[in-house]
Amino acid sequence: ETGVTQTPRHLVMGMTNKKSLKCEQHLGHNAMYWYKQSAKKPLELMFVYNFKEQTENNSVPSRFSPECPNSSHLFLHLHTLQPEDSALYLCASSTTSDRTDTQYFGPGTRLTVL
Amino acid sequence: QKEVEQNSGPLSVPEGAIASLNCTYSDRGSQSFFWYRQYSGKSPELIMFIYSNGDKEDGRFTAQLNKASQYVSLLIRDSQPSDSATYLCAVKSWGKLQFGAGTQVVVTP
Repeated sequence: ETGVTQTPRHLVMGMTNKKSLKCEQHLGHNAMYWYKQSAKKPLELMFVYNFKEQTENNSVPSRFSPECPNSSHLFLHLHTLQPEDSALYLCASSTTSDRTDTQYFGPGTRLTVL
Repeated sequence: QKEVEQNSGPLSVPEGAIASLNCTYSDRGSQSFFWYRQYSGKSPELIMFIYSNGDKEDGRFTAQLNKASQYVSLLIRDSQPSDSATYLCAVKSWGKLQFGAGTQVVVTP
């Protein structure tokens, strides 16, 4: 596998379910990100991890819980979501936060909350 | 005021013509500028980045940056139907990357 991978690619869940999204990067990067992309809206940064430490949480509701066990893996644990949480969830990775910090995206997980 | 603004389009471009996309940003201290292409249902992929004022060319793509006027543009020469996508402008300020909502480009044969 190369680049940034995400599983599952599609997920349908009820509001009472608990599920997890997984992201893995094979680029040797040290920073990983979760974004939410809703229709016709800009990408919304949710969380940032640098060297496994969370460095940014953009006022994300607690029903989204990130986990970064190492620099290559990032999870997003979901519980008691709302229908408005339906969106494309994108993971990205980059080298550390220098000026050339280009982010590379995974294919995304299309989430539908019923 | 949105931090990164783009015209949502769609921008209709005849095949073979030049597509011109514009992006303005509000933070004068922004340091790095990126253009991503996103096909429908797919994730964004990096086209190019630019840090210094002026033009930067890569194949059929040219990025133009004017920090004084706080805009960055992307030109696509010899547009092809495969260029039909949404183009996202991203601006990095103090370590934080912010995206515009994107401009949809439709290249017509």
